[in-house]
Amino acid sequence: SQQGEEDPQALSIQEGENATMNCSYKTSINNLQWYRQNSGRGLVHLILIRSNEREKHSGRLRVTLDTSKKSSSLLITASRAADTASYFCATENTGNQFYFGTGTSLTVIP
Amino acid sequence: SQTIHQWPATLVQPVGSPLSLECTVEGTSNPNLYWYRQAAGRGLQLLFYSVGIGQISSEVPQNLSASRPQDRQFILSSKKLLLSDSGFYLCAWSQGTYGYTFGSGTRLTVV
Repeated sequence: SQQGEEDPQALSIQEGENATMNCSYKTSINNLQWYRQNSGRGLVHLILIRSNEREKHSGRLRVTLDTSKKSSSLLITASRAADTASYFCATENTGNQFYFGTGTSLTVIP
Repeated sequence: SQTIHQWPATLVQPVGSPLSLECTVEGTSNPNLYWYRQAAGRGLQLLFYSVGIGQISSEVPQNLSASRPQDRQFILSSKKLLLSDSGFYLCAWSQGTYGYTFGSGTRLTVV
């Protein structure tokens, strides 16, 4: 399967702490993206990192990509209760097809 | 600006009934269009994608079909729904490598 796999499946932290989620994939990619999904709603694109990039920042988000290990991590710093959601990584391969992982369910406790 | 419309938001259908979910995109031309399904507690599964009118690629064999009668319209259909077709269906579009824009989703319950 080309699908990515997120780790952990579920994460519960206190507000103000940092949350780290990891994603592994199997094939060569053009880019990797992270999405957030609030319960029962559509996906929201958070950040895209290209295969030739190693790290990218957007506000409280930090994404790293290690193509040699075929893995990526998403760090959310100073978490807030509003960050509670499911987070998905998605890989785009050379055929412009996207494949999503199973997601990490993040709960931020106020 | 680009927007994507997906309807209905929720749908309850009996087993064996037909299905038609519609997705339309505004503000862009010749987008790549996608249908995804998310089963409860699981990740997204790519069902169909389309790079142009009448061009449909299916990722998994299933009870569903897709059509793209117009550049910015993508339809997901079934002639006879199965219980296993229940799930959350998301339509999405993309252009280039700028990520997806997703619709708000349709929660389908087959009873």
